[in-house]
Amino acid sequence: EVQVVESGGGLVQPGGSLRLSCSASGFTFSNAWMSWVRQAPGKGLEWVGRIKSKTDGGTTDYVAPVKGRFTISRDDSKNTLYVQMNSLKTEDTAVYYCAIDHNSDNYFDYWGQGTLLTVSS
Amino acid sequence: DIQMTQSPSSVSASVGDRISITCRASQGIGTWLGWYQQKPGKAPKLLIYGASSLRGGVPSRFSGSGSGTDFTLTISSLQPEDSATYYCQQANSLPPLTFGGGTKVEIK
Repeated sequence: EVQVVESGGGLVQPGGSLRLSCSASGFTFSNAWMSWVRQAPGKGLEWVGRIKSKTDGGTTDYVAPVKGRFTISRDDSKNTLYVQMNSLKTEDTAVYYCAIDHNSDNYFDYWGQGTLLTVSS
Repeated sequence: DIQMTQSPSSVSASVGDRISITCRASQGIGTWLGWYQQKPGKAPKLLIYGASSLRGGVPSRFSGSGSGTDFTLTISSLQPEDSATYYCQQANSLPPLTFGGGTKVEIK
């Protein structure tokens, strides 16, 4: 059974930093392309960024509003995905989901339960 | 960026009704289109990929169609557990991958 658990959310002041983690099991983590998707309160889904598997180059892509501020990384030895978020803005407030692209086809087969980031003074 | 536009934004229907939700892409995406269901307080679930392929375990009352820029999600016989918000997502090109704005389905 696939299990995905995000952690690290909380309250941060504007301009601050935070790192979210996503621990996954039940599949071959190292082969999966992993994304972060966020959802602001009462709003729709927004893809934040992705990291490919190392065998596919381990490259990252980001949505424009977070490029240069967010960094996605992975530790395949720990089956864990990360996103380091710097220079946080109030508009980054959202539930952040870890989303698994198991077949490397840009669809998200499995999701975590999400972790809430609130950016506020 | 490819923009995804869903309509309607909400629909209210009775149990047993057939409903359809449309999704339009701002440029052609072939059949690189997925549909997700999200219930309040829960993570989204993938229902359909490749515009019309039903994910394993998803009830057969859900179906998808379309190609290019116009796509449809149909629920053939609405059930109480189908009350949720549905999102389309283009999987053709990134960055960024993009979602539609969502369609809230309510049961009368």
